[in-house]
Amino acid sequence: DTGVSQDPRHKITKRGQNVTFRCDPISEHNRLYWYRQTLGQGPEFLTYFQNEAQLEKSRLLSDRFSAERPKGSFSTLEIQRTEQGDSAMYLCASSGPGQGSSQHFGDGTRLSIL
Amino acid sequence: GDSVTQMEGPVTLSEEAFLTINCTYTATGYPSLFWYVQYPGEGLQLLLKATKADDKGSNKGFEATYRKETTSFHLEKGSVQVSDSAVYFCALHTGTASKLTFGTGTRLQVTL
Repeated sequence: DTGVSQDPRHKITKRGQNVTFRCDPISEHNRLYWYRQTLGQGPEFLTYFQNEAQLEKSRLLSDRFSAERPKGSFSTLEIQRTEQGDSAMYLCASSGPGQGSSQHFGDGTRLSIL
Repeated sequence: GDSVTQMEGPVTLSEEAFLTINCTYTATGYPSLFWYVQYPGEGLQLLLKATKADDKGSNKGFEATYRKETTSFHLEKGSVQVSDSAVYFCALHTGTASKLTFGTGTRLQVTL
């Protein structure tokens, strides 16, 4: 069990650019989540996958955001035309099947918009 | 909707002091309750959880009891260490929802 892995750890980009983050969940976990955390706040839910199906999206996930999990393993989160307000820590979590399975988090990708 | 309220920080304690971080919640249905800890520059680590009323979660000297009557899940530790300095998040999950709902976090600073 190598834990949830996120790449990159840090991303600095100019406003208006597109960015893509990757998350590799714990191998036997079929559920994958994306959250956003801003300074001094708790994580806020963005979207959820069960296997390759995206089953839930938050209202926070504007049309500039898109997430995929094409083969039910790793996932990508893309932000198009980044804005200053997108600066945050993007956290990925995964959990196994079953109602009692806990979510395990990666170390996150910190996005800074110049 | 679901929500979690935590006491504001920072909480500053001397080493070996007793810790309490308050957490109350509002939820539809019967949530599972969690405490996560976040060290600087890292993601969240699950500290403990409780899935039904009167359950006590415990780990690394920390404990919290699921109190349905007061809708609370306060985190306690009898003797804190400098290494416990971190941000602590209370969270809930209901069976019908996929997501965790988090509080705003409480920063703990432990000094020698």
